[in-house]
Amino acid sequence: GEDVEQSLFLSVREGDSSVINCTYTDSSSTYLYWYKQEPGAGLQLLTYIFSNMDMKQDQRLTVLLNKKDKHLSLRIADTQTGDSAIYFCAEKMGANNLFFGTGTRLTVIP
Amino acid sequence: NAGVTQTPKFQVLKTGQSMTLQCAQDMNHNSMYWYRQDPGMGLRLIYYSASEGTTDKGEVPNGYNVSRLNKREFSLRLESAAPSQTSVYFCATRDSSYEQYFGPGTRLTVT
Repeated sequence: GEDVEQSLFLSVREGDSSVINCTYTDSSSTYLYWYKQEPGAGLQLLTYIFSNMDMKQDQRLTVLLNKKDKHLSLRIADTQTGDSAIYFCAEKMGANNLFFGTGTRLTVIP
Repeated sequence: NAGVTQTPKFQVLKTGQSMTLQCAQDMNHNSMYWYRQDPGMGLRLIYYSASEGTTDKGEVPNGYNVSRLNKREFSLRLESAAPSQTSVYFCATRDSSYEQYFGPGTRLTVT
């Protein structure tokens, strides 16, 4: 399968910005997603971006897509302790499936 | 609406035992999925079902079988559990905009 790579850990101080990075290998992906997983729970969709966009902003979240480098990032402004979770990027594969990255565990230090 | 529900929440099996993980959805979605989540490996697709009556293998299907009983239910069966199947299992559905909705997970330990 395709490799979707993420750093495993990120720590930031409360109030700072967090940037979570992801690289993918399938240049034909049409949708790219960010999911959040809180402890003991399933994944919830945070945001997504179409492959013909460079940037999408949604309140404190900014998604940047660099198709040339196959790089996707999620920036969380004014990071709060409630943002501590595992964040997964995912790319749409074929008609039905998503391929998930390894996940980045974000720890927010008060 | 309950969304996606999974039973059981926790299970401990001995090597060689069998069990079925249940998943049900009330969102009227056609597509349903089974994933396993292991540390440092993200989510890996075991099987999926694009619609009632169809199932297809994902990335890691070996050791598992599935049944799409009807539109609501999609079960995952381990016929002879192995320690390598110790994992957290998630069921998910997909809507027409490709957003996936996940259940709360089943934590399975095989000793």
